Amino acid sequence: GENVEQHPSTLSVQEGDSAVIKCTYSDSASNYFPWYKQELGKGPQLIIDIRSNVGEKKDQRIAVTLNKTAKHFSLHITETQPEDSAVYFCAASTQGGSEKLVFGKGTKLTVNP
Amino acid sequence: EPEVTQTPSHQVTQMGQEVILRCVPISNHLYFYWYRQILGQKVEFLVSFYNNEISEKSEIFDDQFSVERPDGSNFTLKIRSTKLEDSAMYFCASSVAGVTDTQYFGPGTRLTVL
Repeated sequence: GENVEQHPSTLSVQEGDSAVIKCTYSDSASNYFPWYKQELGKGPQLIIDIRSNVGEKKDQRIAVTLNKTAKHFSLHITETQPEDSAVYFCAASTQGGSEKLVFGKGTKLTVNP
Repeated sequence: EPEVTQTPSHQVTQMGQEVILRCVPISNHLYFYWYRQILGQKVEFLVSFYNNEISEKSEIFDDQFSVERPDGSNFTLKIRSTKLEDSAMYFCASSVAGVTDTQYFGPGTRLTVL
């Protein structure tokens, strides 16, 4: 089945810097890749997603890139702010196949003021 | 904005006891899910539910687990005889149109088995 690896496990940046989190997946049939942000004591919240028919998607300070050949996708946060501090999870799933999202282990992002 | 709600927020139980975790998915959603997250680990899929039946379940979802949609709004996860290793955060999620539609997660129920 699908396996998603996520790096780094922790990331500390200064406010205003960029942060990049990378994920790789194993199943070439996976075609949907959401990113979730989890704040302390809350459930995961979708922040951006990408499907395999596009290579990049951007929403204000957040962007996601997908390389299907290499089977990896990345989250880019620019101009980081202290409120971006949270745990970020990548996930993968297969349209028309499994019902489930397979998550990475998460990255704890700390943005220092 | 509509959201998934879960009750209770924290459940403490003795090993061997039955627990029921409750979820109210977003009202127009058709697909429902349970995930769990053991402290410090990744979020793991347990089960998906559509059209009043289980559509997929993971290896974790053994005979001790069951799900039900008893009425038009609630979606429950029952653990028949809890074990210490069932201690985790349990998240309910729902989506309109299946797994590649956005899954919206609830705030979770922290289950502690003593």
